Amino acid sequence: QVQFVQSGAEVKKPGASVRISCQTSGYTFTNYAIQWMRQAHGLSLEWIGWINPGNGYTQYSERFRDRVTITTDTSATMAYMELSSLKSEDTAIYFCARVRRGSYFDSWGQGSLLTVSS
Amino acid sequence: DIQLTQSPPSVSASVGDKVTITCRASLPINDWLAWYQQKPGKAPRLLIYSASTLQSGVPSRFSGSGSGTDFTLTIKSLQPDDFATYFCQEAKDFPAITFGQGTRLDIK
Repeated sequence: QVQFVQSGAEVKKPGASVRISCQTSGYTFTNYAIQWMRQAHGLSLEWIGWINPGNGYTQYSERFRDRVTITTDTSATMAYMELSSLKSEDTAIYFCARVRRGSYFDSWGQGSLLTVSS
Repeated sequence: DIQLTQSPPSVSASVGDKVTITCRASLPINDWLAWYQQKPGKAPRLLIYSASTLQSGVPSRFSGSGSGTDFTLTIKSLQPDDFATYFCQEAKDFPAITFGQGTRLDIK
């Protein structure tokens, strides 16, 4: 079955960078886009960016455009999200998810908690 | 940006009840809307997409309706497993999607 497994919790200081990984399995990796989103405690979800593993094309939210990079390793069927210049407001759970029907998310990673604190 | 407003923010109900949650978009989005269920410490689960299409494996007591700006998620005959938070998500300008603020469904 389709599975998304994310890397573990991270604690970073303000100004640092973090890379979160998303290991996928159970489907043809290059056939579906992957979206990254985050959820601050008790709040709703916010989109960060999107990648088409088939051609590497990416799109980023304006909020994160200057400090986020999303990549994939197709041979390893993995996706990565790197966020730089971290601030305390980046403390949240980060999710990767598979895009289906062009616009919806049918398989999700379990989430990776990022804590940014001095 | 499209804004989504869910109501109510929280609702209490009993097993066997029928519950309706609404989601209003700030601009028309045709039927570009999905509903998700999220339990504490877990990722969201897709329930409904394209406003009214049930995702594979989701029980038929869940249903969605609406088009344009007003949408509803209905859960008939609540089961213990249904107590969770529900989010709507619009996809008109994918990948620039927006989620509603969530509706928490508690046991009365």
